[in-house]
Amino acid sequence: GIQVEQSPPDLILQEGANSTLRCNFSDSVNNLQWFHQNPWGQLINLFYIPSGTKQNGRLSATTVATERYSLLYISSSQTTDSGVYFCAVERWDFGNEKLTFGTGTRLTIIP
Amino acid sequence: DGGITQSPKYLFRKEGQNVTLSCEQNLNHDAMYWYRQDPGQGLRLIYYSQIVNDFQKGDIAEGYSVSREKKESFPLTVTSAQKNPTAFYLCASSIGRGGIREQFFGPGTRLTVL
Repeated sequence: GIQVEQSPPDLILQEGANSTLRCNFSDSVNNLQWFHQNPWGQLINLFYIPSGTKQNGRLSATTVATERYSLLYISSSQTTDSGVYFCAVERWDFGNEKLTFGTGTRLTIIP
Repeated sequence: DGGITQSPKYLFRKEGQNVTLSCEQNLNHDAMYWYRQDPGQGLRLIYYSQIVNDFQKGDIAEGYSVSREKKESFPLTVTSAQKNPTAFYLCASSIGRGGIREQFFGPGTRLTVL
């Protein structure tokens, strides 16, 4: 199956700093999603981005499908950005349609 | 409000008991999924269903069972055969085949075996 690696595993930043999270995957994919898991465990959809670039406020993401990686950018970090960020990918092989998750990047924003 | 609901939020079970976790969605999505998350880990797929009355095993289906009798409901039963059931369980849904398959998640159920 597809392997998904996220880096760094942990990141501690001061409020106001910028950060880049990386997701590498081992095969071509049809779907790539970024999620933020808050302290209560809720998974919040950030981006659906199998290719290209998207922006939503202080967050943006870029997926380079041909090179099998995606980047999540967080600018002007706030304490509410703390939590775990997951990348998940899906390849639409019939009978094997599922999201495969990375192990996440734990982001801690210090006031 | 459209969304995915899971109940209960917290569940305690004695060893040897079966328990059923509820997942309901009113998004009119065809596909539904169950995931398990252990501390410090990513999510792993237990079962998924692309359409009513049909479902497939995921990566860690042993000790679990599901049914899909209605489009909006996809309950998960954790049986006594599941050796390490204590975990956080998340349900998700998506439009399914033929559409953008972005998955959306419910708030989760924390299961603890005493």
